[in-house]
Formats: sequence, structure tokens, C-alpha cells
Amino acid sequence: NAGVTQTPKFQVLKTGQSMTLQCAQDMNHEYMSWYRQDPGMGLRLIHYSVGAGITDQGEVPNGYNVSRSTTEDFPLRLLSAAPSQTSVYFCASSLGGGMNTEAFFGQGTRLTVV
Amino acid sequence: QQPVQSPQAVILREGEDAVINCSSSKALYSVHWYRQKHGEAPVFLMILLKGGEQKGHDKISASFNEKKQQSSLYLTASQLSYSGTYFCGTRMGDDKIIFGKGTRLHILP
Repeated sequence: NAGVTQTPKFQVLKTGQSMTLQCAQDMNHEYMSWYRQDPGMGLRLIHYSVGAGITDQGEVPNGYNVSRSTTEDFPLRLLSAAPSQTSVYFCASSLGGGMNTEAFFGQGTRLTVV
Repeated sequence: QQPVQSPQAVILREGEDAVINCSSSKALYSVHWYRQKHGEAPVFLMILLKGGEQKGHDKISASFNEKKQQSSLYLTASQLSYSGTYFCGTRMGDDKIIFGKGTRLHILP
């Protein structure tokens, strides 16, 4: 049982490049979310999804797109990378049902934009 | 909207107790506690629903005061393994879980 898998683990981008951070879970969880973690800022919610075909914005959605075509996958797209998007990105999933269930986090993607 | 955690950091000796607080300016539906060790992903500790219930996890327990919109995490007889950053996440009735900035806990032998 792999849980939540994020790829890649590390990435360096040049300003203006685009890329997709992958997130997949094999627990049949309905709820998935993306957070970014910056020093001293905690975990900030970027986008979330309550099920396939449904996504919504979190606290800091600008510069990011998401889609949820399957229950398993929830990719995060950076449209035009900026140095301010240098961060550690975490994907999380939970059963749903009101979101009052344990969230499982992936191991994170450390992104540097130069 | 981000909950406020206090203290920002605390240093303890092994065996001492600690309390971490989490407060919100808005009504809370639930409070979620996680611990993150350096370089790792956050790991679930417990969830508290409105109603003032208290939960426990080994020697770590938490309370939720719905009226005061506050939650507290209690670490009793701390162990070296308790070191890390503790995050509270709050849900205010919609589908978002918003986390605080975290409390760094360092346990000395």
C-alpha cells in the first residue's frame, strides 16, 4: 500500500517555465489537497478537491491550476514559474465525509525557481 | 483566517510537560492536530469536533473549547521522540482545512 505518492521529489525550474507536480493515492480517498510550506508560514492551502471533477481554491491559489479527472490523481500545474513559488509542496488525501478524517501526506516536492 | 498558534517555539527537558494553543477568530467546526519532524511529511495526531470533547493519543491529549474557539494540545512527560513542529488545522464549516504557522518543540535529554 503506497499511500500518497508525489513526484518528483526535487525540481529546479527557470523563471517562466511551466511544470506539473504529480500526486497519486491508492486509498480510494475522495478528498485531496495541495499545500505549500515556507519557513515561518506553516502549511498554506493552494487548491483542494472533494471528489473527481470537483476542485476549489484555497488560501493561495494564484499561479497554480489543478484538475481531478480521476479519484486517484490530483496534479498541480505551475503555469509560469516565479521565484516566489520556491517552496516545499505537499499533497494530502483523506476519506472525505466532511473532512473530519485523518489526512495522509505525501513526502513532498522541493521546488526551486531560479 | 489562519489560526494563531502559541507559543511559536518551546524547549523542554525530557519528562517535562508542554501545552500548545490554537485559537481562531471565527467559529470552528473541528480542529486537527499534526506533527512534522524535520525533512518529513506531517503526521496525524488527532481530530476534535465541536462539543468540547477531549482526546488522547499515548501521552498526548487535546481539548477543544468551541465557545472560545480554541484548542490546546497537552504533551505529558515529554519524550525525545516528541520533538518536531506541531500544526493545528481548523475547519470552519466549509471544505477547507487551514493550518496555523506551527509550534516548534525541542526536547533536550
